[in-house]
Amino acid sequence: QVQLVESGGALVKPGGSLRLSCEASGFSFSGYYMSWIRQSPGKGLEHISYVSGSGNDIKYADSVKGRFTISRDNARNSLYLQMNNVRAEDTAVYYCARTARLLEYWGQGTVVTVSS
Amino acid sequence: DVVMTQSPLSLPVTLGQPASISCRSSQGLVYSNGITYLNWFQQRPGQSPRRLIYQVSNRDSGVPDRFSGSGSGTDFTLEISGVEAEDVALYYCMQGTHWPFTFGQGTRLEI
Repeated sequence: QVQLVESGGALVKPGGSLRLSCEASGFSFSGYYMSWIRQSPGKGLEHISYVSGSGNDIKYADSVKGRFTISRDNARNSLYLQMNNVRAEDTAVYYCARTARLLEYWGQGTVVTVSS
Repeated sequence: DVVMTQSPLSLPVTLGQPASISCRSSQGLVYSNGITYLNWFQQRPGQSPRRLIYQVSNRDSGVPDRFSGSGSGTDFTLEISGVEAEDVALYYCMQGTHWPFTFGQGTRLEI
């Protein structure tokens, strides 16, 4: 069965960096687009980035463009989100999900808190 | 960005009675391939979102047939034919046609 397990969430200071990971299993990882979505009380659900199976097609929401980088390692069945120069408004639960337009499977989420 | 507007935001229902949630988009959602990427998700308390309906009206595997989706253009609806206790949750519509893909504000279904 499809499983997505996020990790790497933590308490981080404004301006700091963090790397989130998502380990996938139960499907042919390299054949699927993958996404990061976040959920905060203030902004609801926000689809912040996706990447194609090959890594050649990448999109970012304006709110994270230039600060966050999505990447994947198909040999390790893993998706990543490098978060730099974080802000208080990046505080959220971060989910990885399979595909971009359809989001058919989600992980359990990892919590990122940005606070001094 | 495409704005997804759900109504109502809170939906009190009686067990066994039907429920309906509306979702309106600020732009049409037909993609260049002819597919309308309008999905519905359920989020139970303390859980991740779970997809119920994709491409307007296709029910996911394992989703009870009391859930159905319909609509076209900019107006879409999620219907529950007879609410059960396990349906207490937040429900979100989401468009996957125009980047950035966007979600509605959520509708809280309560008994």
